[in-house]
Amino acid sequence: DVKVTQSSRYLVKRTGEKVFLECVQDMDHENMFWYRQDPGLGLRLIYFSYDVKMKEKGDIPEGYSVSREKKERFSLILESASTNQTSMYLCASSLGTDSNQPQHFGDGTRLSIL
Amino acid sequence: GQNIDQPTEMTATEGAIVQINCTYQTSGFNGLFWYQQHAGEAPTFLSYNVLDGLEEKGRFSSFLSRSKGYSYLLLKELQMKDSASYLCAVRDANNAGNMLTFGGGTRLMVKP
Repeated sequence: DVKVTQSSRYLVKRTGEKVFLECVQDMDHENMFWYRQDPGLGLRLIYFSYDVKMKEKGDIPEGYSVSREKKERFSLILESASTNQTSMYLCASSLGTDSNQPQHFGDGTRLSIL
Repeated sequence: GQNIDQPTEMTATEGAIVQINCTYQTSGFNGLFWYQQHAGEAPTFLSYNVLDGLEEKGRFSSFLSRSKGYSYLLLKELQMKDSASYLCAVRDANNAGNMLTFGGGTRLMVKP
């Protein structure tokens, strides 16, 4: 089974802090994704990566950056956290570029910015 | 861009059948996925459709009509554990990688 692991289930940070959310997958997947999930808005893509050191902006990249130094790890960075970044953050990975390959999700990190 | 619509909430009775609809608009359709998400948990993959027709997997089936931009997820013999959110997601061939756009999800409540 694919395992996508996010470093924290719950995280509380203060406004202005730099926040790191870590995600690791163990199935040698090329693609990795970061989403945020908010009530009424569904899953929205922040950034994704289709290879090491490669990154692409999703629908809502403002206020975020990412890092993919190794194939198995994809980090989401909030450069200066703000209260509107309080949300559930979900990491996902998928194999290659075949369209029939599903994305596999981690359990999520519920981030609160005070 | 893409626009994906699904009902916000549905209620059904244990043992019954329920159909969750999803409509989409996309310039380069290249597959539709259904996911199940229990409260506080990760979404899990249920089904994939890229050609018109019905795909059956046990109690769950998914249907696609590309000409109508329409899909549905059919759940038979409902069980209490089927209470969850169901997410419709579309892949656009114009997007890089394996990028998906998700609908807002349909929260299904199964009652005894």
